[in-house]
Amino acid sequence: DIGLTQSPGTLSLSPGDRATLSCRASESLSSSDLAWYQQKPGQAPRLLIYDASTRASGIPDRFSGSGSGTDFTLTISRLEPEDFAVYHCQQYDTSPLAFGQGTKLEIK
Amino acid sequence: QVQLVQSGADEKKPGASVKVSCKPSGDIFSDYTVHWVRQAPGQRLEWMGWINPVTGNTRYSQLFLGRVTLTRDTSAITLYMELSSLTSKDTAVYYCARAVWFGELSPFDFWGQGTLVTVSS
Repeated sequence: DIGLTQSPGTLSLSPGDRATLSCRASESLSSSDLAWYQQKPGQAPRLLIYDASTRASGIPDRFSGSGSGTDFTLTISRLEPEDFAVYHCQQYDTSPLAFGQGTKLEIK
Repeated sequence: QVQLVQSGADEKKPGASVKVSCKPSGDIFSDYTVHWVRQAPGQRLEWMGWINPVTGNTRYSQLFLGRVTLTRDTSAITLYMELSSLTSKDTAVYYCARAVWFGELSPFDFWGQGTLVTVSS
């Protein structure tokens, strides 16, 4: 089974800063089959990025994804107050589908 | 806009079963598969399995094999997830989610609001 490890566990930044979140797979994802989600307290996850770098419908262009193989990155270019949340990565390259443990983005 | 509306919170005793429903708005049955994902307190999201709402075909994660059953009621346009032999480790929020692409290997673009299942004696 493919496992995902996200880093850092918690990221403390200020509005206007640039955020860089990492997701590392235990095996190479052959087709960059990786997604990123944002989750706020009491809410379901929201799809941000799929296929490693394609923004989902309605997602602002300050969110971008990159990477291939085993190393993937979610970048938020200029943090807005509403961006402080937990971010999850998910691989859908191989069954069983798997998620990372999450990165909490908090206000510094 | 697709919406998935789940049943309300539930509390069960250890050893019991729980059945959570997921009702999509509109007719999405013919084009999409629906997956179930759970999130225990402080834990990562955990994929449980998926169902083809048209055929009823299912596939389950090995972690839940034998304990989880996904079904659908085509007349009521409702999907169900039943989990049996509950323990305290099954205390979690359970989500249904629509796959972006038909099939198993897909991200999820629409999610239900989540159903909290608490297992406690």
